[in-house]
This record gives sequence, structure tokens and C-alpha cells, in this order.
Amino acid sequence: ETGVTQTPRHLVMGMTNKKSLKCEQHLGHNAMYWYKQSAKKPLELMFVYSLEERVENNSVPSRFSPECPNSSHLFLHLHTLQPEDSALYLCASSQSRADTQYFGPGTRLTVL
Amino acid sequence: QKEVEQNSGPLSVPEGAIASLNCTYSDRGSQSFFWYRQYSGKSPELIMSIYSNGDKEDGRFTAQLNKASQYVSLLIRDSQPSDSATYLCAVNGGNQFYFGTGTSLTVIP
Repeated sequence: ETGVTQTPRHLVMGMTNKKSLKCEQHLGHNAMYWYKQSAKKPLELMFVYSLEERVENNSVPSRFSPECPNSSHLFLHLHTLQPEDSALYLCASSQSRADTQYFGPGTRLTVL
Repeated sequence: QKEVEQNSGPLSVPEGAIASLNCTYSDRGSQSFFWYRQYSGKSPELIMSIYSNGDKEDGRFTAQLNKASQYVSLLIRDSQPSDSATYLCAVNGGNQFYFGTGTSLTVIP
């Protein structure tokens, strides 16, 4: 595998479910990101992990919980989501926070 | 609020023409600028990065940066139907990326 991978590619879940999104980067980068992309809106940065420091967007609801066990892996734990959380969730990585970001293929999430 | 503004389009150009995509940004301290291409249902992929004023060319693509005017553009020469996509402008300032909403480009055969 090369670049940034994400699993699953598609996910349908009910509002009471708990699920996790996984991201793995094979680029030797030190920063990883979660973005949400909704129709007609800019990419919304949700969380950043850089050299073990976590930076988050304070507007992200607590039903989204990130986990970064090491510099190559990033998870997004989901629980009690709402239908408006349906979107494309993108993982990205970069050498540092000032460098070019490379995106994974995304997870298309649908909340029923 | 740091903003990146793009005309959402859609922008339509005939095959072989030059497509011109524009982006303005609000943060004068921004240091690096990027253009990403996103096909429908896919993730963004990097086309060009530019860091200093002037033009940067890569094949059919030219990025232009004017920091005084807080303006960055992307020119696509000899447009092809395969260039039809949404183009995202991104600006890095203060160690954070800010993305525009994207411009939808359609190249008509």
C-alpha cells in the first residue's frame, strides 16, 4: 500500500450505532488530519495530530472522538451521530503542519 | 475569520481553450498556496503549490501568485475533457490550511 489509505470506503449507520473510521499513511509524515466535506461547503478541519500534539476545531461535536496511537495511524470514533453528520470524511497527512497535505480516498458516511 | 474565496462556477470552456480559475484570501500572513483537483466522488489531489510571487509552470498548468493583491490563480492550457473537476484553492497560514469551496470546471468536447 502506498500513500494514505482509509477504511471503510462507505459506511451506513443508524443514530444509535458506534463505529470507527481508520486511516493509515505510508509516507513517513508527522502530521495527520481529519476533515469533513459536505456538499457546497468548504473542507472543514476537524482534528489535527502533529508530533503527539492534538489540535481540534472547537465546533466539532463530542460524538466525534479521534485517536492517534502512532504517527502512521489515525482513527475517528463515531457514536450517536445525527443525519446531518452524513458527509465525506477525509484523512490527510503532511510532513509538518506547514507542508503539503496528501489526502486519502475518503469514507462516505450516511447516517440514517 | 480567515477566508479563502473562490467563484463556485460552474465554469465551462471548450476543449483546447485556456481555463482560468481564481482565488482570493484574507490573511496577509499566508505563506504557501496550493491548488487541488477533486473529481466527483473522489478525494482532492494536489496539482500545484506556489510560495513566492510570480508564475510557476508545470506542464499545462500555471499557478500565479500576487501577495500584494492577496490573489492566486490557476491557468489550464489546452483544456481537456479529463480536466473537468472541482478545483480547490488552499492557503496555509499559521500552520493551518484554509480551503475554498472550489470552482467546478467543465471542459466541453
